[in-house]
Amino acid sequence: QKEVEQDPGPLSVPEGAIVSLNCTYSNSAFQYFMWYRQYSRKGPELLMYTYSSGNKEDGRFTAQVDKSSKYISLFIRDSQPSDSATYLCAIVIIFGQGTELSVKP
Amino acid sequence: AAGVIQSPRHLIKEKRETATLKCYPIPRHDTVYWYQQGPGQDPQFLISFYEKMQSDKGSIPDRFSAQQFSDYHSELNMSSLELGDSALYFCASSFGTSGGITDTQYFGPGTRLTVL
Repeated sequence: QKEVEQDPGPLSVPEGAIVSLNCTYSNSAFQYFMWYRQYSRKGPELLMYTYSSGNKEDGRFTAQVDKSSKYISLFIRDSQPSDSATYLCAIVIIFGQGTELSVKP
Repeated sequence: AAGVIQSPRHLIKEKRETATLKCYPIPRHDTVYWYQQGPGQDPQFLISFYEKMQSDKGSIPDRFSAQQFSDYHSELNMSSLELGDSALYFCASSFGTSGGITDTQYFGPGTRLTVL
């Protein structure tokens, strides 16, 4: 079992939809959780960074950590075609498989 | 703002050859991480350096070695290349106040290595 599990998708939504991306992790000691966005043939770009449990909001993006269930989420509101990319959850140096998101105009 | 620089951007080698990938971190960043990302795969952590010392080791094969130099740039040396080494190799850098565990990483554009 991988330490960080993520549904690879692909996930296709219409423009303006709310997108929910999720990961689970196995080690309850993990404290630092990241979400990266990766466009094709580019390096991952850090989107959000949270510590321990709770929510963190940045514009249209909200990151949520539920340590009791070892579940982390990224919500994208009012999704745009430019949000089409692969989204990777990470716990410092351990990455999930990435979810490929496509937002259709 | 300056970003992480990697060179070369593309590299083609034959089996059993050697390759050297270079990474220049963001100015004042003292920690460098190397990742390998195969097609459709997540980035796999290889190795990291903090203040020129190895700080963490992941799934780096014995055929690979890396170091960080006095100017904080890092090189990943790959020998006896195999077909399975074909991948994107990313370098990331951070300002490591604690040696890496909590530091925000900024990724470079990657080097695409193709082994024929």
